[in-house]
Amino acid sequence: EAGVVQSPRYKIIEKKQPVAFWCNPISGHNTLYWYLQNLGQGPELLIRYENEEAVDDSQLPKDRFSAERLKGVDSTLKIQPAELGDSAVYLCASSLGASGSYNEQFFGPGTRLTVL
Amino acid sequence: GENVEQHPSTLSVQEGDSAVIKCTYSDSASNYFPWYKQELGKGPQLIIDIRSNVGEKKDQRIAVTLNKTAKHFSLHITETQPEDSAVYFCAGTGGFKTIFGAGTRLFVKA
Repeated sequence: EAGVVQSPRYKIIEKKQPVAFWCNPISGHNTLYWYLQNLGQGPELLIRYENEEAVDDSQLPKDRFSAERLKGVDSTLKIQPAELGDSAVYLCASSLGASGSYNEQFFGPGTRLTVL
Repeated sequence: GENVEQHPSTLSVQEGDSAVIKCTYSDSASNYFPWYKQELGKGPQLIIDIRSNVGEKKDQRIAVTLNKTAKHFSLHITETQPEDSAVYFCAGTGGFKTIFGAGTRLFVKA
């Protein structure tokens, strides 16, 4: 069974440019998460989807970040415009049922973003 | 806000020795505590988890203990091997939110 797929794996852009990350969760997983991981830190939730609905986007900087999960399957996270401080690894994860207790989250390999 | 503190940030052990990583959480509503292992260039992978109604769980060389009263939980790795070298994250889940610790970088010296 394929795991969570993310692309691209690496992205280097100049500040003020737009960038987009794509995630395809494990088949059948209804819950999808986007996390931000700064160097030497644990993942921090940006947004959580239950099917196509964003149920928790409280930590998403909505002035420059946006996300969508059309048809409740794959998802795209966008930053426009990117800032130097956005350099980090962006992780996508999915879980089988409604998030909360006891649902193992499966992580993709992440996209490492460097903003110059 | 909710917080999970993890110690130590770096741990170096000799192959065959035991390694212990400790975490504390602040959210009393937390009732599920997963541990993840992250290797270089990869996403975190679940290695063991424990629910709040259990005090201890073991899976081969890995064990986790939970003290709900003190809000402490710990990961124990016995007979460490070089392939155990990685970054380990604890996490606390309450309701619909998972909070991760800052991670422990484990080095196992052959």
